[in-house]
Amino acid sequence: DTEVTQTPKHLVMGMTNKKSLKCEQHMGHRAMYWYKQKAKKPPELMFVYSYEKLSINESVPSRFSPECPNSSLLNLHLHALQPEDSALYLCASSHPFRQGSYNEQFFGPGTRLTVL
Amino acid sequence: TQLLEQSPQFLSIQEGENLTVYCNSSSVFSSLQWYRQEPGEGPVLLVTVVTGGEVKKLKRLTFQFGDARKDSSLHITAAQPGDTGLYLCAGLILKTSGSRLTFGEGTQLTVNP
Repeated sequence: DTEVTQTPKHLVMGMTNKKSLKCEQHMGHRAMYWYKQKAKKPPELMFVYSYEKLSINESVPSRFSPECPNSSLLNLHLHALQPEDSALYLCASSHPFRQGSYNEQFFGPGTRLTVL
Repeated sequence: TQLLEQSPQFLSIQEGENLTVYCNSSSVFSSLQWYRQEPGEGPVLLVTVVTGGEVKKLKRLTFQFGDARKDSSLHITAAQPGDTGLYLCAGLILKTSGSRLTFGEGTQLTVNP
């Protein structure tokens, strides 16, 4: 099973709303990622969790707040977003990267977020 | 500065034609992955290459990793409309400060019937 699931599939929110994106994997991966992707562009890394601890924050604004409740779940809490935050938000997971490994990263289907 | 240069950016061809997509870098990668993405969906992993000079085949798709592990190519034989999508290469450089995939800009492929 190489499946990463994400909910919801689509989300429309106003600039004053609070919402959360959810991601789940059951591949035993201990590294999980949030990416943001604009149309026809590659994914941009936002956050990395390794063994449920935040290891990389790519200078993401504080209106995005990640959370990793356990090794299978990853959340992204959204508050006071701007219209320019509208994008496809992708979750991914992998075994922690190490030398000599295939280091394969698997993506979920994404959440299409629209901020009005 | 783009670490991983992917070309061409756009490609529109007729069904049955062959094509090659290139990813080039001045950096050495521990591994390199190729993904295919359809609109509104997440990238789907096609292949991972880790050994310099490695060639992998997936039906009509042939992937090659350069001898120096700095570049890679994807060749599609007899393209079909179902091959249409965004093709992304992504290289991994291992760092103690935090390893992450570096993506190319993508190749938007359209195969016309």
